[in-house]
Amino acid sequence: RKEVEQDPGPFNVPEGATVAFNCTYSNSASQSFFWYRQDCRKEPKLLMSVYSSGNEDGRFTAQLNRASQYISLLIRDSKLSDSATYLCVVKVSGGYNKLIFGAGTRLAVHP
Amino acid sequence: GAGVSQSPSNKVTEKGKDVELRCDPISGHTALYWYRQSLGQGLEFLIYFQGNSAPDKSGLPSDRFSAERTGGSVSTLTIQRTQQEDSAVYLCASSRDRGANVLTFGAGSRLTVL
Repeated sequence: RKEVEQDPGPFNVPEGATVAFNCTYSNSASQSFFWYRQDCRKEPKLLMSVYSSGNEDGRFTAQLNRASQYISLLIRDSKLSDSATYLCVVKVSGGYNKLIFGAGTRLAVHP
Repeated sequence: GAGVSQSPSNKVTEKGKDVELRCDPISGHTALYWYRQSLGQGLEFLIYFQGNSAPDKSGLPSDRFSAERTGGSVSTLTIQRTQQEDSAVYLCASSRDRGANVLTFGAGSRLTVL
């Protein structure tokens, strides 16, 4: 089983739609959680961190459920510019604190 | 530098040849990661350097892969006797320190093994 699992998509949605992505992680020792965004043929960039109480950044809302080992990202009022791959990232505690990336969920927003 | 710099940006090589990929992290960043991304796939963790500690090599797929980081700054990823399945984009990222959560990625080195 992969350490971080995501629905690969693609999610094809019209502008203005609300879309949600889910992610599950297997290591209960995971301590920090993030969403990164990767545009086609570009490097990943941090979108937002995910906090236990849930957090919002404009049109983006992230949620964490530690009991279920589940993370979500909600995008409201989708824009064409939101089209990208969204990567769920988990930081595993321990000696090295390395970040593990999911395979990503592809979003395509159309007019 | 202002960002993470990787070279070469593109490398085409013949099966069996050795290749070296270079990463120059952001000045002052003590943590450095190498990931590999195959076409349409997610990022596969390869190796992680943190300061002067022994690196976490748990992601290296075979003993043909090795990496070093000299002087706590520049890192070189070496692939010996390349195979076609090594074709991928190799991404380097750095972060301020072990506790930092934000990775800054370089633009990657695209390796094609013929």
